[in-house]
Amino acid sequence: QVQLVQSGAEVKKPGASVKVSCKASGYTFTSYGISWVRQAPGQGLEWMGWISAYNGNTNYAQKLQGRVTMTTDTSTSTAYMELRSLRSDDTAVYYCARDPPGSGWQDYWGQGTLVTVSS
Amino acid sequence: EIVLTQSPATLSLSPGERATLSCRASQSVSSYLAWYQQKPGQAPRLLIYDASNRATGIPARFSGSGSGTDFTLTISSLEPEDFAVYYCQQRSNWPSSDFGGGTKVEIK
Repeated sequence: QVQLVQSGAEVKKPGASVKVSCKASGYTFTSYGISWVRQAPGQGLEWMGWISAYNGNTNYAQKLQGRVTMTTDTSTSTAYMELRSLRSDDTAVYYCARDPPGSGWQDYWGQGTLVTVSS
Repeated sequence: EIVLTQSPATLSLSPGERATLSCRASQSVSSYLAWYQQKPGQAPRLLIYDASNRATGIPARFSGSGSGTDFTLTISSLEPEDFAVYYCQQRSNWPSSDFGGGTKVEIK
């Protein structure tokens, strides 16, 4: 069965970086994309960006350009999302999700990773 | 950026009633719209994609309609497990995407 298992919760200070991992199983990793979506406490969903696990092509939300990097390691079927220069408003649950090829939709989701930014 | 406006913000209904949720786009997104359900403490779940196609395993009481700028998610008869928050998402300018602000369906 398809599973996306994310790394554990993180607490970071303002200005630091965080790197969240997302290990995929149950499907051919390189045949799908991975999107990252975050959700601040009590708020709605925010699309952060997408990476093709086939060729590493990426597209990031404009507001995060320059602070976010998404990568994949096809040898371990793992996707990563790194966010730099953290601010308090980056406190959120970060989700990875699988994108069927060419679809733009997210059909399987990880369990979420809480990132808390606090001094 | 395409802005998706969902209404109402909260819908108070009883089990067995019909729920009608709206999503309006700031410009045409053709049929490139999806709906997700999210329960507290859980990840979102894909319900509807391409405006009207049910995702795998989604019950027939969920249906989607619309195109262009106006879309509707209908739950024909609410089950207890349907009380949740629902989000629409557009992907007309993929690989960019946007979510709406959500509609909470609560028990009246």
